[in-house]
Amino acid sequence: LAKTTQPISMDSYEGQEVNITCSHNNIATNDYITWYQQFPSQGPRFIIQGYKTKVTNEVASLFIPADRKSSTLSLPRVSLSDTAVYYCLVGDRSSGNTPLVFGKGTRLSVIA
Amino acid sequence: KAGVTQTPRYLIKTRGQQVTLSCSPISGHRSVSWYQQTPGQGLQFLFEYFSETQRNKGNFPGRFSGRQFSNSRSEMNVSTLELGDSALYLCASSWGTGLNGYTFGSGTRLTVV
Repeated sequence: LAKTTQPISMDSYEGQEVNITCSHNNIATNDYITWYQQFPSQGPRFIIQGYKTKVTNEVASLFIPADRKSSTLSLPRVSLSDTAVYYCLVGDRSSGNTPLVFGKGTRLSVIA
Repeated sequence: KAGVTQTPRYLIKTRGQQVTLSCSPISGHRSVSWYQQTPGQGLQFLFEYFSETQRNKGNFPGRFSGRQFSNSRSEMNVSTLELGDSALYLCASSWGTGLNGYTFGSGTRLTVV
Protein backbone atom coordinates (compact mmCIF):
# COMPACT_ATOMS: atom_id res chain seq x y z
CA LEU A 1 0.00 0.00 0.00
CA ALA A 2 1.09 3.57 -0.64
CA LYS A 3 2.42 5.61 2.26
CA THR A 4 -0.15 8.04 3.65
CA THR A 5 0.07 11.03 5.96
CA GLN A 6 -2.86 12.32 7.97
CA PRO A 7 -3.18 14.51 11.08
CA ILE A 8 -2.76 12.70 14.38
CA SER A 9 -5.78 14.31 15.96
CA MET A 10 -8.59 16.80 15.40
CA ASP A 11 -11.22 18.39 17.59
CA SER A 12 -14.63 19.60 16.49
CA TYR A 13 -17.86 20.84 18.01
CA GLU A 14 -21.12 19.04 17.46
CA GLY A 15 -22.98 20.11 14.35
CA GLN A 16 -19.88 21.22 12.46
CA GLU A 17 -18.56 19.76 9.24
CA VAL A 18 -15.24 17.98 9.68
CA ASN A 19 -12.70 17.53 6.91
CA ILE A 20 -9.80 15.12 7.36
CA THR A 21 -7.12 15.31 4.70
CA CYS A 22 -4.83 12.46 3.75
CA SER A 23 -1.68 12.92 1.66
CA HIS A 24 -0.56 10.11 -0.63
CA ASN A 25 2.04 11.53 -3.00
CA ASN A 26 3.14 8.14 -4.33
CA ILE A 27 -0.32 6.89 -5.29
CA ALA A 28 -0.23 4.52 -8.24
CA THR A 29 -2.56 4.43 -11.21
CA ASN A 30 -4.49 1.40 -9.99
CA ASP A 31 -4.71 2.49 -6.36
CA TYR A 32 -8.01 3.22 -4.63
CA ILE A 33 -8.46 5.47 -1.60
CA THR A 34 -10.33 3.88 1.27
CA TRP A 35 -11.34 5.13 4.70
CA TYR A 36 -12.12 3.13 7.80
CA GLN A 37 -13.58 4.29 11.12
CA GLN A 38 -12.81 2.73 14.48
CA PHE A 39 -14.66 3.27 17.74
CA PRO A 40 -12.98 2.39 21.04
CA SER A 41 -12.75 -1.35 21.75
CA GLN A 42 -14.22 -2.24 18.35
CA GLY A 43 -12.73 -3.28 15.04
CA PRO A 44 -12.44 -0.78 12.18
CA ARG A 45 -15.44 -0.32 9.91
CA PHE A 46 -15.33 0.56 6.21
CA ILE A 47 -16.96 3.92 5.51
CA ILE A 48 -16.09 5.04 1.99
CA GLN A 49 -13.89 4.36 -1.03
CA GLY A 50 -13.11 6.35 -4.14
CA TYR A 51 -10.84 6.55 -7.16
CA LYS A 52 -11.28 10.12 -8.39
CA THR A 53 -13.49 13.23 -8.10
CA LYS A 54 -16.20 12.86 -5.46
CA VAL A 55 -17.96 9.99 -3.78
CA THR A 56 -20.83 10.38 -1.34
CA ASN A 57 -22.73 7.90 0.78
CA GLU A 58 -25.03 8.12 3.79
CA VAL A 59 -22.09 8.52 6.17
CA ALA A 60 -19.50 10.71 4.46
CA SER A 61 -18.15 12.28 1.30
CA LEU A 62 -14.74 11.73 -0.21
CA PHE A 63 -13.13 14.42 -2.34
CA ILE A 64 -10.20 13.50 -4.59
CA PRO A 65 -8.47 16.16 -6.72
CA ALA A 66 -7.39 15.48 -10.26
CA ASP A 67 -3.77 14.68 -9.36
CA ARG A 68 -4.98 12.19 -6.70
CA LYS A 69 -2.04 13.02 -4.43
CA SER A 70 -4.37 13.79 -1.55
CA SER A 71 -7.94 13.16 -0.52
CA THR A 72 -10.37 14.66 1.97
CA LEU A 73 -12.89 12.78 4.04
CA SER A 74 -15.81 15.05 4.89
CA LEU A 75 -18.19 14.29 7.74
CA PRO A 76 -21.26 16.56 7.70
CA ARG A 77 -22.70 17.87 10.96
CA VAL A 78 -20.77 15.61 13.33
CA SER A 79 -22.24 14.37 16.58
CA LEU A 80 -20.63 12.97 19.72
CA SER A 81 -21.02 9.48 18.26
CA ASP A 82 -18.60 10.37 15.46
CA THR A 83 -15.75 10.45 17.97
CA ALA A 84 -13.44 7.76 16.59
CA VAL A 85 -10.16 7.11 14.83
CA TYR A 86 -10.27 7.50 11.05
CA TYR A 87 -7.80 5.61 8.85
CA CYS A 88 -6.88 6.45 5.27
CA LEU A 89 -5.60 3.55 3.16
CA VAL A 90 -4.35 3.73 -0.41
CA GLY A 91 -3.60 0.73 -2.53
CA ASP A 92 -4.58 -1.76 -5.17
CA ARG A 93 -4.50 -5.16 -3.51
CA SER A 94 -6.21 -6.71 -6.54
CA SER A 95 -3.62 -9.49 -6.47
CA GLY A 96 -4.07 -10.07 -2.76
CA ASN A 97 -0.34 -10.30 -2.30
CA THR A 98 -0.05 -7.30 -0.01
CA PRO A 99 -1.84 -7.13 3.33
CA LEU A 100 -4.25 -4.45 4.49
CA VAL A 101 -1.99 -2.26 6.63
CA PHE A 102 -3.25 0.57 8.81
CA GLY A 103 -1.30 3.68 9.77
CA LYS A 104 -1.81 5.65 12.98
CA GLY A 105 -5.02 7.28 11.77
CA THR A 106 -6.63 10.55 12.84
CA ARG A 107 -8.26 10.66 16.25
CA LEU A 108 -11.37 12.84 15.96
CA SER A 109 -12.85 14.17 19.18
CA VAL A 110 -16.29 15.74 18.96
CA ILE A 111 -17.11 18.15 21.75
CA ALA A 112 -20.61 19.08 22.89
CA LYS B 1 -26.32 -11.94 8.10
CA ALA B 2 -24.04 -12.82 11.00
CA GLY B 3 -20.89 -10.76 11.38
CA VAL B 4 -17.39 -11.83 12.24
CA THR B 5 -17.38 -13.68 15.55
CA GLN B 6 -14.36 -13.76 17.80
CA THR B 7 -14.08 -15.87 20.91
CA PRO B 8 -13.44 -15.40 23.70
CA ARG B 9 -14.09 -11.68 24.18
CA TYR B 10 -11.82 -11.39 27.20
CA LEU B 11 -8.95 -13.53 28.42
CA ILE B 12 -6.46 -13.32 31.25
CA LYS B 13 -3.34 -15.44 31.04
CA THR B 14 -0.10 -15.76 32.97
CA ARG B 15 3.34 -15.12 31.51
CA GLY B 16 4.74 -18.23 29.89
CA GLN B 17 1.36 -19.75 29.08
CA GLN B 18 -0.03 -20.15 25.61
CA VAL B 19 -3.35 -18.97 24.21
CA THR B 20 -5.58 -19.78 21.26
CA LEU B 21 -8.02 -17.29 19.84
CA SER B 22 -10.81 -18.13 17.43
CA CYS B 23 -12.40 -16.26 14.55
CA SER B 24 -15.47 -17.26 12.55
CA PRO B 25 -15.71 -15.19 9.36
CA ILE B 26 -18.81 -14.06 7.53
CA SER B 27 -20.30 -16.89 5.54
CA GLY B 28 -18.76 -16.98 2.09
CA HIS B 29 -15.66 -15.00 3.04
CA ARG B 30 -12.50 -16.92 2.29
CA SER B 31 -9.90 -14.48 3.59
CA VAL B 32 -9.17 -13.96 7.28
CA SER B 33 -6.65 -11.47 8.63
CA TRP B 34 -5.43 -10.97 12.18
CA TYR B 35 -4.29 -7.75 13.82
CA GLN B 36 -2.84 -6.79 17.18
CA GLN B 37 -3.82 -3.42 18.58
CA THR B 38 -2.06 -1.68 21.45
CA PRO B 39 -2.15 1.97 22.54
CA GLY B 40 1.48 2.45 21.67
CA GLN B 41 1.77 0.63 18.35
CA GLY B 42 -1.72 0.97 16.97
CA LEU B 43 -3.10 -1.64 14.57
CA GLN B 44 -0.39 -4.04 13.51
CA PHE B 45 -0.88 -6.72 10.89
CA LEU B 46 -0.14 -10.27 12.04
CA PHE B 47 -1.08 -12.57 9.16
CA GLU B 48 -3.64 -13.28 6.50
CA TYR B 49 -5.07 -16.60 5.38
CA PHE B 50 -6.88 -17.39 2.18
CA SER B 51 -8.32 -20.82 1.47
CA GLU B 52 -6.31 -22.41 4.30
CA THR B 53 -3.00 -20.93 3.07
CA GLN B 54 -1.07 -18.15 4.73
CA ARG B 55 -0.92 -15.44 2.10
CA ASN B 56 0.79 -12.61 3.99
CA LYS B 57 2.68 -12.35 7.24
CA GLY B 58 3.55 -9.37 9.40
CA ASN B 59 6.68 -8.73 11.40
CA PHE B 60 5.95 -10.71 14.54
CA PRO B 61 8.06 -13.40 16.26
CA GLY B 62 7.47 -17.06 15.63
CA ARG B 63 5.54 -17.32 18.91
CA PHE B 64 2.60 -15.98 16.94
CA SER B 65 1.06 -18.50 14.60
CA GLY B 66 -2.23 -19.12 12.93
CA ARG B 67 -4.18 -21.45 10.75
CA GLN B 68 -7.35 -21.56 8.73
CA PHE B 69 -9.70 -24.49 8.42
CA SER B 70 -11.62 -25.72 5.40
CA ASN B 71 -14.76 -23.89 6.61
CA SER B 72 -12.70 -20.64 6.65
CA ARG B 73 -12.71 -20.42 10.44
CA SER B 74 -9.35 -19.33 11.74
CA GLU B 75 -7.36 -19.63 14.93
CA MET B 76 -4.30 -17.81 16.12
CA ASN B 77 -1.98 -19.08 18.78
CA VAL B 78 0.52 -17.25 20.92
CA SER B 79 3.00 -19.37 22.84
CA THR B 80 5.17 -18.41 25.79
CA LEU B 81 3.16 -15.31 26.54
CA GLU B 82 4.92 -12.09 27.51
CA LEU B 83 3.51 -9.06 29.28
CA GLY B 84 3.85 -7.11 26.04
CA ASP B 85 1.42 -9.43 24.31
CA SER B 86 -1.42 -7.80 26.21
CA ALA B 87 -3.55 -6.27 23.49
CA LEU B 88 -6.79 -6.30 21.58
CA TYR B 89 -6.59 -8.97 18.89
CA LEU B 90 -8.81 -8.30 15.93
CA CYS B 91 -9.87 -10.59 13.15
CA ALA B 92 -11.20 -9.41 9.80
CA SER B 93 -12.79 -11.39 7.03
CA SER B 94 -13.07 -10.45 3.40
CA TRP B 95 -14.84 -11.71 0.31
CA GLY B 96 -12.06 -10.64 -2.00
CA THR B 97 -8.87 -8.70 -2.25
CA GLY B 98 -10.01 -5.06 -2.44
CA LEU B 99 -9.43 -2.53 0.31
CA ASN B 100 -13.11 -2.02 1.04
CA GLY B 101 -14.38 -5.50 1.69
CA TYR B 102 -13.08 -6.06 5.19
CA THR B 103 -15.41 -6.73 8.10
CA PHE B 104 -13.86 -6.79 11.53
CA GLY B 105 -14.94 -8.62 14.62
CA SER B 106 -15.12 -6.97 18.03
CA GLY B 107 -11.86 -8.54 19.07
CA THR B 108 -10.45 -10.54 21.94
CA ARG B 109 -8.97 -8.51 24.78
CA LEU B 110 -5.96 -10.47 26.07
CA THR B 111 -4.34 -9.50 29.34
CA VAL B 112 -1.08 -11.17 30.35
CA VAL B 113 -0.19 -10.96 34.03
